Amino acid sequence: QVHLVESGGGLVKPGESLRLSCVASGFTFSSHFMNWVRQAPGKGLEWVAYITGRGSTIYYADSVKGRFTVSRDNAKNSLYLQMNTLRAEDTAIYFCARGFTSSSIIDHWGQGTLVTVSS
Amino acid sequence: SYVLTQPPSVSVAPGETARITCGGDNFETTSVHWHQQMPGQAPILVLFYDSDRPSGIPERFSGSKSGNTATLTITTVEAGDEADYYCQVWDSSSDHWVFGGGTRLTVL
Repeated sequence: QVHLVESGGGLVKPGESLRLSCVASGFTFSSHFMNWVRQAPGKGLEWVAYITGRGSTIYYADSVKGRFTVSRDNAKNSLYLQMNTLRAEDTAIYFCARGFTSSSIIDHWGQGTLVTVSS
Repeated sequence: SYVLTQPPSVSVAPGETARITCGGDNFETTSVHWHQQMPGQAPILVLFYDSDRPSGIPERFSGSKSGNTATLTITTVEAGDEADYYCQVWDSSSDHWVFGGGTRLTVL
């Protein structure tokens, strides 16, 4: 059974940094693309980034490019999102989401972790 | 930037058929995927590659595409289908995933 558990969310001030983690289980983590998707309070889904199985290809949404860095440690079945220079508009639930083995099409979602950026 | 357009809300009575549309460009050359999000829950994938169902998704959920509009159809709607539905497309011109704004399905 696919299981994705995010952690690392919390309350930070504008300009500060935060690192999110996602631990995966129930599947061969290194074979799958992985995504981060966020959802601001009361709003829709916004894709943030994806990374291929070996980490060789990474794409970011324009809204986070240059501030956020996605990475993975396949030995630890873990996905990360380093978020720097956080802004109020980054306030959202951040979901870790598994992609297919052949593409980043999302087929399983974690429960999310809340990031609040406020002074 | 690439935009996917969904109606904010759709309402149907139990047992009726719900149709949720998603409009965009270049649908002839790209696939549309659909996610369901119950209130307070994480999303789940309900359709991929326009009309394929993941295991565990009822046959009542189907998808189609015509021109620049994709449609998620839910037949014999149940109260448990009440949720937000999002379409998703890969924009190859920008190498970005794009989500539609979401449609709230209300079962009357």
